This record gives sequence, C-alpha cells and structure tokens, in this order.
Amino acid sequence: GQQVMQIPQYQHVQEGEDFTTYCNSSTTLSNIQWYKQRPGGHPVFLIQLVKSGEVKKQKRLTFQFGEAKKNSSLHITATQTTDVGTYFCAGVSGGGTSYGKLTFGQGTILTVHP
Amino acid sequence: NAGVTQTPKFQVLKTGQSMTLQCAQDMNHNSMYWYRQDPGMGLRLIYYSASEGTTDKGEVPNGYNVSRLNKREFSLRLESAAPSQTSVYFCASARQYFGPGTRLTVT
Repeated sequence: GQQVMQIPQYQHVQEGEDFTTYCNSSTTLSNIQWYKQRPGGHPVFLIQLVKSGEVKKQKRLTFQFGEAKKNSSLHITATQTTDVGTYFCAGVSGGGTSYGKLTFGQGTILTVHP
Repeated sequence: NAGVTQTPKFQVLKTGQSMTLQCAQDMNHNSMYWYRQDPGMGLRLIYYSASEGTTDKGEVPNGYNVSRLNKREFSLRLESAAPSQTSVYFCASARQYFGPGTRLTVT
C-alpha cells in the first residue's frame, strides 16, 4: 500500500534558526496536506498542495510540492517558540475525491530553544 | 459552531471490556474518519465513512467496528479491548477537521 515517509523524526533548533521537514511518498499523490499538532493537542490543518511544483507561503512557512508529485517539504524561516509541535504531511492518492483517504507521515517533532 | 466533538476525553478499560467512542460534527460534512495515533507512528486510519449510510475499512480496522448513525455522528466501538488498543483516537470530518481526541488506556 501507499507509504509516506517523513524526515527528520526530531529537530532541535535555536530560536531564530530555520527548519525544514521533508515528506516522500512511494506513489504519486493527487494532493498533499500539512498539519501541525501542539503537544497534547489535535492535528490542525495548515495547507493543501495540489499542483505539480506548487509553492505556497503562509507568513514564515513555505510549502513545496515536487514536480513528480511524490515529495513535499515545509520550511519555517526564523523559528519562534510558538512553532513548537509536531508537523505531519499527509498524502492523498487515487483521484483526490473529497472522501479520499489520507496517509500520514510519521511526523517531525520540532523543539525550539529560546 | 463546535466543529468536531469527541467523548469521552479520557478512558481506562480493562482487557476484554467494551466501549464506544462518540464523535459528532456540526459542519454538515459528508465524510468522517477515525484515526489512532501512537508514538512514532503518525496517524493511522481505522475506518471512514464517505457519506451517511456507508462505512469502509482503513489501514488498521481489526478489533474495531463503526456506525454512521446520521450525517452528524460517527461512533467507534471496541468490542473486546486489548492492551494493543491503548492509543489516542481522533475523529475527523471532511478529512481535515479533527476533534480533540480520546486518550484510551487498556490495562
């Protein structure tokens, strides 16, 4: 079945440093979503990427979808302590219908030291 | 507008006991999902419901049953709980709206 691998598993940074997490799928995706989960909380939807090569920005966060639609990345510029949490990618394959199943990566746990 | 609600928030069961986790959404979404989250494993899909009256198995359905009671409610039942089912369970609607979770421990 479809597998989504995410690296690194952990990342410790000093406040102000940049952070990147990478996501790779074993199959071509119709779209990919990114979520943030604060410690003890639930996943919160950040963004969805649909087009090959798509790049989207949300303030200090930059999301990319690979040309082959099999990989994606999330880059945070100048991290802040509020960025602490686990970042998950989740891929959808097979047509991207509204009820299509998400396959989640294992997540990257980000710690930001002040 | 409460979004997605789940009850209970916490539960401790003994091996062999049964229970039902409740989920409701007020956003008029057709699709609803149940996930479990274990350390280092991400979220894994247990069951989903594309619309009222339909349910399908996800990645890890063994030991669970679901009921899509109506458009709002989607319940998850553990008939005979096992320690391997100790986890955090999340309900979601329209794929991307998650409830607060139920933290289940089976001893």
